[in-house]
This record gives sequence, structure tokens and C-alpha cells, in this order.
Amino acid sequence: AQSVTQPDIHITVSEGASLELRCNYSYGATPYLFWYVQSPGQGLQLLLKYFSGDTLVQGIKGFEAEFKRSQSSFNLRKPSVHWSDAAEYFCAVGAASGGSYIPTFGRGTSLIVHP
Amino acid sequence: NAGVTQTPKFQVLKTGQSMTLQCAQDMNHNSMYWYRQDPGMGLRLIYYSASEGTTDKGEVPNGYNVSRLNKREFSLRLESAAPSQTSVYFCASSEPKPYSGANVLTFGAGSRLTVL
Repeated sequence: AQSVTQPDIHITVSEGASLELRCNYSYGATPYLFWYVQSPGQGLQLLLKYFSGDTLVQGIKGFEAEFKRSQSSFNLRKPSVHWSDAAEYFCAVGAASGGSYIPTFGRGTSLIVHP
Repeated sequence: NAGVTQTPKFQVLKTGQSMTLQCAQDMNHNSMYWYRQDPGMGLRLIYYSASEGTTDKGEVPNGYNVSRLNKREFSLRLESAAPSQTSVYFCASSEPKPYSGANVLTFGAGSRLTVL
């Protein structure tokens, strides 16, 4: 079965600074990988996904993530954070074959943006 | 385009009371899900319905029942609410590729439930 670890419960950055949120997964083959964002009081929204091909994927709101097979990681990045990026971010992994098609979610990282 | 609609948005119950959370999607998705979100625990799957007419237990099904009323609607029932069921509940839907984890979920806005 697949699993996801988001090592950071909270991340605090200043507005305009760069951001990297960490995500490590455990899965025996090439996984499907996702980042979702949850704004306060809202449901989750897909930011970006990796299924195959280029390991650097672009998402909405200026976010990108890089799949690194050797490190079992799929870290989320943004070059310049805006105050509106304050939210909860969830990494998720889906099995490429066999097992459950339902993605497994990490526990989330809360992003705090200081003005 | 409404996407996934959940009702009610807020509910306060007393221990032992029952209630049903309603969820409807207008995207013609086959699969629907109920999650609960608790601080520090992320999202935990309660029940899911792979297609109309089927339901299956997720990670934390105890104390809950579900009904897939039709392709659009998937309800979650608490028969005898307990304080441990105080949580935010999310409904989601998707159109997964068969036997594949390439499964993008669309979430509702959530229902905040407090059990006193």
C-alpha cells in the first residue's frame, strides 16, 4: 500500500519569499502524485498532478512540483509567495496499478504568510 | 457549474442524536467519497462508492452509514452521534480510470459538525 509523509506541520514565510513544501511517498512503482490546496473554510482544490513524462510539473497559481524518483519526493515550490497563498497544502499519492485507486493523503502542511 | 454540493454547512448535535449529511455532484462522476478532517490527522476516508449501487468501507467507517441514492447523490448518516465524531466532513467525487490511481478528486466545501 502507498503512503505519504509531509514532514512539516507548519511553514512560515514572508510575503515575496520563495517556498518549498516537502512531500515524501512510499510506493513500489512509479506513483501518481498530487498536490491539493485548502483555503480557510473551503474544500480541497487540485493544484497540480504528475502522471508521467516531464518530472517538473506546473500547476495553478504559479506553483510547480518536481518528481524525484531517487528521493521518493514530490516537493511543491513557488518562487514568490503572496498573502493569498496562506492555506493548508496536502500531498497525495495514487497507485499506478493494482491495489486501491483511491489516493492516499498526507497529513497536510499549514502555510502561514507574514506581510 | 456547482460541482459538489454539501448540506448542511454547519450542524450542532447532542450525543445520541442522529443526522444525515447530504452530498450531490453534477459532473456525472461515477465515484463518490466521504472523508473526515481532524487537526493533525489530515483526511481520512470514511466510506466510498465506486459506482452507483456499490459502497465500501474506508479507513474509519465505525459509527457511520452511507447510501448511494443515485449517480448524483451520496449521503452519510450518523445513527447515534458521539463527541468523537466532531469533525469537518468532506464529500468528493471523481471519474477514475479503471484500475488506476490517476484519480483526481473534486471536493465539496465541507460540513462542520459539533457533537456536544
